[in-house]
Amino acid sequence: QQQVKQSPQSLIVQKGGISIINCAYENTAFDYFPWYQQFPGKGPALLIAIRPDVSEKKEGRFTISFNKSAKQFSLHIMDSQPGDSATYFCAASKGGNKLVFGAGTILRVKS
Amino acid sequence: DGGITQSPKYLFRKEGQNVTLSCEQNLNHDAMYWYRQDPGQGLRLIYYSQIVNDFQKGDIAEGYSVSREKKESFPLTVTSAQKNPTAFYLCASSLQGAPGELFFGEGSRLTVL
Repeated sequence: QQQVKQSPQSLIVQKGGISIINCAYENTAFDYFPWYQQFPGKGPALLIAIRPDVSEKKEGRFTISFNKSAKQFSLHIMDSQPGDSATYFCAASKGGNKLVFGAGTILRVKS
Repeated sequence: DGGITQSPKYLFRKEGQNVTLSCEQNLNHDAMYWYRQDPGQGLRLIYYSQIVNDFQKGDIAEGYSVSREKKESFPLTVTSAQKNPTAFYLCASSLQGAPGELFFGEGSRLTVL
């Protein structure tokens, strides 16, 4: 049972472009939505997170957009750089319980 | 520097052998987790522990075992009962009450020959 569906599976973006990764969830009790970034051979690291009381959160070039009614959230990477090439995971949790992860998106930024 | 140390980074084992992956943290976190990562399947939770001497099964616990005798350590044993053990294994920790903010180690890649 996949509670968080992530798309696309892979993404190629030109340097300077906008990378967009989408996630959809089923459980309306989820109340915390983080994104993790993973470089090859490394463990994931928390990138940015949002709670459902806001529709958008921005940190530098990274923005989470959240649509509670559609049960969707997305990660936007503005001015994408080759150093952003990594695997990105969305996730969700409810009430302080353990995270449920999406399947991941492999992003490649071409220079 | 505070962090999570996993060892070994690479491990090869023959079918039918048990193998233990080490995970140590000096972040003073109460909660620790083991995830398995396979291509296209994201991160799947194997076991987690919120306090010493207590742990719970995750979504794919069959064929695995853990112990939590010390706050800093959470070793994972991949037993011969695990039918498809070749994978990338990740250990993580978090503060109690903040399970969404995980700190991961660099992983251990297990290959069964």
